[in-house]
Amino acid sequence: LAKTTQPISMDSYEGQEVNITCSHNNIATNDYITWYQQFPSQGPRFIIQGYKTKVTNEVASLFIPADRKSSTLSLPRVSLSDTAVYYCLVGDIFNSGGYQKVTFGTGTKLQVIP
Amino acid sequence: DGGITQSPKYLFRKEGQNVTLSCEQNLNHDAMYWYRQDPGQGLRLIYYSQIVNDFQKGDIAEGYSVSREKKESFPLTVTSAQKNPTAFYLCASSTGNSNQPQHFGDGTRLSIL
Repeated sequence: LAKTTQPISMDSYEGQEVNITCSHNNIATNDYITWYQQFPSQGPRFIIQGYKTKVTNEVASLFIPADRKSSTLSLPRVSLSDTAVYYCLVGDIFNSGGYQKVTFGTGTKLQVIP
Repeated sequence: DGGITQSPKYLFRKEGQNVTLSCEQNLNHDAMYWYRQDPGQGLRLIYYSQIVNDFQKGDIAEGYSVSREKKESFPLTVTSAQKNPTAFYLCASSTGNSNQPQHFGDGTRLSIL
């Protein structure tokens, strides 16, 4: 079981870059790292996924060091609409052919301040 | 637009009553999931299904039941055996291939009268 640890909350001013780090010390060889965003009373939405090094899309970047024991979600120039909870997931329940527990922890609550 | 539709958005249950939450997807995904979210908490997996006519218990399956008779549909029944059913319920789907992201519906909020 790849347990993840994230900060409970973060504040940022509009226009700043925000970096949210997730620790996953016992990540398995086949595990990918996936980040989701959730607004109140909505389902989580996929943001980005990676295995190693750096992944970038139109929304965010994901940095994964060589040892893969942590990952950092980077949100460039945040706006008020980026206020949400961000979840880091490691692994997938279908990885091993049987049930593998994959947990959405409590995530990181990002508050963007005007 | 392709996506996942959950209904109803709000649901109220009387004591001792079973209720069924609907989840439909038109993404042609093989795998579907049900999660429960309590205030200020993360998501906990109730049941998941990798393919039609097959489903498996997640971490908190007691007091819940599901069926998967069609690829597009994965209804969740909250039975009277679930003593604390008040929560936000989320349905998701994915291709079912390893490490593919899940697509979520917008949830059903269940409350006890």
